[in-house]
Amino acid sequence: AQSVSQHNHHVILSEAASLELGCNYSYGGTVNLFWYVQYPGQHLQLLLKYFSGDPLVKGIKGFEAEFIKSKFSFNLRKPSVQWSDTAEYFCAVKNAGNNRKLIWGLGTSLAVNP
Amino acid sequence: DAGVIQSPRHEVTEMGQEVTLRCKPISGHNSLFWYRQTMMRGLELLIYFNNNVPIDDSGMPEDRFSAKMPNASFSTLKIQPSEPRDSAVYFCASSLGIGTDTQYFGPGTRLTVL
Repeated sequence: AQSVSQHNHHVILSEAASLELGCNYSYGGTVNLFWYVQYPGQHLQLLLKYFSGDPLVKGIKGFEAEFIKSKFSFNLRKPSVQWSDTAEYFCAVKNAGNNRKLIWGLGTSLAVNP
Repeated sequence: DAGVIQSPRHEVTEMGQEVTLRCKPISGHNSLFWYRQTMMRGLELLIYFNNNVPIDDSGMPEDRFSAKMPNASFSTLKIQPSEPRDSAVYFCASSLGIGTDTQYFGPGTRLTVL
């Protein structure tokens, strides 16, 4: 069965530190990949997504993610985090095509200290 | 656009009672998803609809859970009878339902079963 693994469950950083959150998936076919963010007290919203083309995807608020097919990975990065980036981050994978179902990672809780 | 609307935002009930959660998707979206989020299991897809038809309900925990979508603008998730282990945040999401569409999440319903 498909699965998504987020290796870091809790990350604590100071402002201006660089961020990389890992995401690996298990599926050999063509996939669509997503990162969602959930700020404290708010609902999930899309941060960025990849479905084809340039494997380096840029999203909102300075986030980017790189799809490395050979490693089945889609890691999220940000060169310099801010206190306002404190949130829960979720990686999700979908089989390309008409299947609507997303498979979700358990999430990574990021706390940024001012 | 008002976004995905869920009600109630908070529900506290006693074990054995019936609970009904409601969702209004974004107008024009034809796919609707019900998720459950807990600390232990993360975000789990319970069921999703496409054009008001249930497509995949493999995530519904047991017969106590049921979901309906009588029309394109309304869906319900019912738990009867409720149990303490059902305590979680329940999210509804909708999408346009084509290709690499983004899922838009509602604010969630925090359910506590005593």
